[in-house]
Amino acid sequence: DAMVIQNPRYQVTQFGKPVTLSCSQTLNHNVMYWYQQKSSQAPKLLFHYYDKDFNNEADTPDNFQSRRPNTSFCFLDIRSPGLGDAAMYLCATSRDRGTYEQYFGPGTRLTVT
Amino acid sequence: QKEVEQNSGPLSVPEGAIASLNCTYSDRGSQSFFWYRQYSGKSPELIMFIYSNGDKEDGRFTAQLNKASQYVSLLIRDSQPSDSATYLCAVRGSGAGSYQLTFGKGTKLSVIP
Repeated sequence: DAMVIQNPRYQVTQFGKPVTLSCSQTLNHNVMYWYQQKSSQAPKLLFHYYDKDFNNEADTPDNFQSRRPNTSFCFLDIRSPGLGDAAMYLCATSRDRGTYEQYFGPGTRLTVT
Repeated sequence: QKEVEQNSGPLSVPEGAIASLNCTYSDRGSQSFFWYRQYSGKSPELIMFIYSNGDKEDGRFTAQLNKASQYVSLLIRDSQPSDSATYLCAVRGSGAGSYQLTFGKGTKLSVIP
């Protein structure tokens, strides 16, 4: 089945220790998104890739970076995680940026100790 | 600033009843509207999308859109305990932000057996 996969599902990191979260998709969608969701809050868009074109949201901290080496994979790098970065990180894809719906992966729960 | 408003709930309905979830949005130019279901600790799952005024039915779910009133709703017929979840309304806006989904904070639904 075509799907969006995220690894790991749970990640524990230490304060200030860099961490990388992974997303892959078999849908062959052009657009990949990274969201941050904290408890009882709406998902917050961090950035997205439209093919190889990176689009950062204006209020995304510089501490968050992303890479998309090919169509299938996208990575979220947190350079120096703080306690406030503990959240669920959601990867989503859509066929294009227009009307098309977004499909989410299962998410990675990040804990910062 | 584009906003999507939902009643946070919890909304409690007895098993077998109709659950009605409501959402209003501020961007009059919004083009497409999505309902996601999110179980506790899980990622959002797309259950309905609607682009045109009127009703769209899929099984037990009906999405209703009224662009003049900037209002979108989700009806769940014959509610089951397994429908107990948070329902997120998401709206794709117009103009430069048209790639972006703006999410409401969600309505928590509880179906009582």
